[in-house]
Amino acid sequence: SQKIEQNSEALNIQEGKTATLTCNYTNYSPAYLQWYRQDPGRGPVFLLLIRENEKEKRKERLKVTFDTTLKQSLFHITASQPADSATYLCALYMDSSYKLIFGSGTRLLVRP
Amino acid sequence: DTGVSQNPRHKITKRGQNVTFRCDPISEHNRLYWYRQTLGQGPEFLTYFQNEAQLEKSRLLSDRFSAERPKGSFSTLEIQRTEQGDSAMYLCASSLAQNYGYTFGSGTRLTVV
Repeated sequence: SQKIEQNSEALNIQEGKTATLTCNYTNYSPAYLQWYRQDPGRGPVFLLLIRENEKEKRKERLKVTFDTTLKQSLFHITASQPADSATYLCALYMDSSYKLIFGSGTRLLVRP
Repeated sequence: DTGVSQNPRHKITKRGQNVTFRCDPISEHNRLYWYRQTLGQGPEFLTYFQNEAQLEKSRLLSDRFSAERPKGSFSTLEIQRTEQGDSAMYLCASSLAQNYGYTFGSGTRLTVV
């Protein structure tokens, strides 16, 4: 079955720096991959979607890359702010299934 | 439209009791999903509806769990004979189509004592 790995250790960075979060998966390449932000006690919020034939996607300060050879996606937040502090979840969608499969998330802490 | 609405926000119940949660998705979204999330973990898929049809159900879902989506609008998730292991955040999400992001509700936090 598909397995998704996100760094379980929190990423602690200084305000203004670029945060880079990693999502690795095993087995089959997904049709597309999504990134979500989750704050404590709230539901995840959709950020970006990238398809298997796309290398990179950008939205404001966010950038996602997708390398199907490495079976990896990188999520970047440039010019990070304390308000970016949250847990970021990676999710894969397989063509063979109707559902998104989520990783366990990586917590980002941006120090002022 | 105010997004995906879930009720109640919190539920405390005694072991063995039945509980029911409600989800009102975004009205234009025909796809509805239920997920369960425990502390430190990502959301875990429970079941999926397209309109009123339940098209997929997790093998992890025991017979004590049942979900409905009558008329393809709101959905309910019922847990019968609750166990302490059922304590979790239950999340509902809806989406417009296959390759769109999900819109999640704020969840229902269930505590079984």
